[in-house]
Formats: sequence, C-alpha cells, structure tokens
Amino acid sequence: TAGITQAPTSQILAAGRSMTLRCTQDMRHNAMYWYRQDLGLGLRLIHYSNTAGTTGKGEVPDGYSVSRANTDDFPLTLASAVPSQTSVYFCASSDEEVNEQFFGPGTRLTVL
Amino acid sequence: GQNIDQPTEMTATEGAIVQINCTYQTSGFNGLFWYQQHAGEAPTFLSYNVLDGLEEKGRFSSFLSRSKGYSYLLLKELQMKDSASYLCAVLPNDYKLSFGAGTTVTVRA
Repeated sequence: TAGITQAPTSQILAAGRSMTLRCTQDMRHNAMYWYRQDLGLGLRLIHYSNTAGTTGKGEVPDGYSVSRANTDDFPLTLASAVPSQTSVYFCASSDEEVNEQFFGPGTRLTVL
Repeated sequence: GQNIDQPTEMTATEGAIVQINCTYQTSGFNGLFWYQQHAGEAPTFLSYNVLDGLEEKGRFSSFLSRSKGYSYLLLKELQMKDSASYLCAVLPNDYKLSFGAGTTVTVRA
C-alpha cells in the first residue's frame, strides 16, 4: 500500500518560476493538508481541504494555491517562486479532522 | 494565533527515561497529538489525548491536563532508534492542527 506519495523528492527552482508539487493518497481520506517545515519553526499549515471540491487557507497561504478536483490528489502550486519559499513541504491526509494525519515523504524545495 | 511550547533539545542515555513537556495556549481544544520525526523523514503518529490522564502504548506514554494546558510524552527504556524529533500538536476550535517547533532527543550509548 503506497499510502501518500509526493513528487518530486527535491527540486531546485529559479526565483520567478512556477512549480507544482504533487500529492496523491490512496487511503480515500476526506481531508488533505499542505505544510512547510522550516528549522526552528516547526510545521506550518499552508492550505487544507476537508473534502473534494473545497479548499481553505492555513497559517501561511500567501504565494501558494491549491486545488482538490478529486479525493486522491491535492497539488500545491507556487505561481512565482521566491527564495523565502525554500523549505521542506509535507502533504498529509486524514479521514476526519479529529483523527491522526498521515504524512507523505516530503519535497525539499530550494529557490535561488 | 496558537502558542505551543516544548524544549528544543534533550539528551538521555540508552535504557533511561525521558519526559518531553508541552504547554499550550490555544483557541479551544479538541485534542493533542504527539508525532515522531526521524531526520530527513516524515512525521509519524505516536499518540492522541483528548481527555485528562495517561495513555500508555508500549514504551511510550502520553499525559494530558486540560486545565493546565499541559502534556508530556514519556519515553521509557530508551533505544538508539528513539533519537528523533518529537512534535506536540494541538487541535483547536478551527480544527487546523497547530504544531510546536519540536524537541530533538538524542540517545547516547
């Protein structure tokens, strides 16, 4: 069972370029999340989706957008990357908001 | 915003016990989670507390006091593989999980 997958594993991106981080889960979970993890700051929520067709903003949404066309996929797009978006990005899912979240392996993004 | 505090680092000896404290001030409370994260890997779920008291799961136990805004994770019979970061996370009224910065535990032989 794959669980939750992310692609790419890592990426170096020039400032001003756009990029989409992919996230797919096969657990049929309703809720999905995108976090960024920076040293000393812990995990911070970027965007979330409680169910297919709906999305919401987290703590640090600026510069990012998401879509949830179906249950399995939750891509995160950086329209015009900036160096402050250099981080490790984790996608997660849970069957309900109150339940444990399962995390993908992460994408390490460097914006130069 | 939510405020979740935990120590940055802790060091302990193999076979010993370590207690990681977490204090929180949040807008409402719907449960507290502990996650383990090894370096370069994804966080994995350890425990969930929503009622006061101690939850025991093998070598790991988690305690919650809602009136004090306090939790701890107790790791017993420490093993080298327990060297990792431990993340305290609280589910407030908006149901958006809020994480502390994490406690890095180093287990020495």
